[in-house]
Amino acid sequence: GAGVSQSPSNKVTEKGKDVELRCDPISGHTALYWYRQSLGQGLEFLIYFQGNSAPDKSGLPSDRFSAERTGGSVSTLTIQRTQQEDSAVYLCASSLDRGREMNTEAFFGQGTRLTVV
Amino acid sequence: GESVGLHLPTLSVQEGDNSIINCAYSNSASDYFIWYKQESGKGPQFIIDIRSNMDKRQGQRVTVLLNKTVKHLSLQIAATQPGDSAVYFCAEGRPNLYGKLTFGQGTILTVHP
Repeated sequence: GAGVSQSPSNKVTEKGKDVELRCDPISGHTALYWYRQSLGQGLEFLIYFQGNSAPDKSGLPSDRFSAERTGGSVSTLTIQRTQQEDSAVYLCASSLDRGREMNTEAFFGQGTRLTVV
Repeated sequence: GESVGLHLPTLSVQEGDNSIINCAYSNSASDYFIWYKQESGKGPQFIIDIRSNMDKRQGQRVTVLLNKTVKHLSLQIAATQPGDSAVYFCAEGRPNLYGKLTFGQGTILTVHP
């Protein structure tokens, strides 16, 4: 596609429910990242996929959070048993490569605004 | 611990003025720095980046300065326009970990016509 696409753009869910957020990266981009942005805050790293390598999950805040990337393209971020503190904008980005190479611009999607009530 | 922080959370300027947004970083292992612009309701947009082997890099109306001695990064915007109003984030990356950028909290730039 022309850019990184995320869906849904907005999600309101009840506390305790599971949610799935989807990211379609730019075609051909091997690196994909998920970040979380709370209101008025900077971006918090969650997880990073690079090609066929094992993902870097070091930013996932709890075991309720998981992510997968199928076929090296689309990624889903799953939050189980959502809590109110999970409310944030979840941003996905992709780039050609970012593991060992710098200067590879990451393109961000518009994010999914998650509200847990 | 490692952190990337901003000196000024908000900055208001008049149209046509030059803007300077500052950022401090604490991880001396970081060797790659990026500035992003985020408009309301949108994802961050890459502005300019710089490697640690440089102290200055210029783009279109923007200049990034890096002072490794004091671990300080700044973004200069020349002839600021109302369309420059946004939140600006600095981010740092480390060797072999460029996918795991550390972002600062952001500076809100407001440009008054």
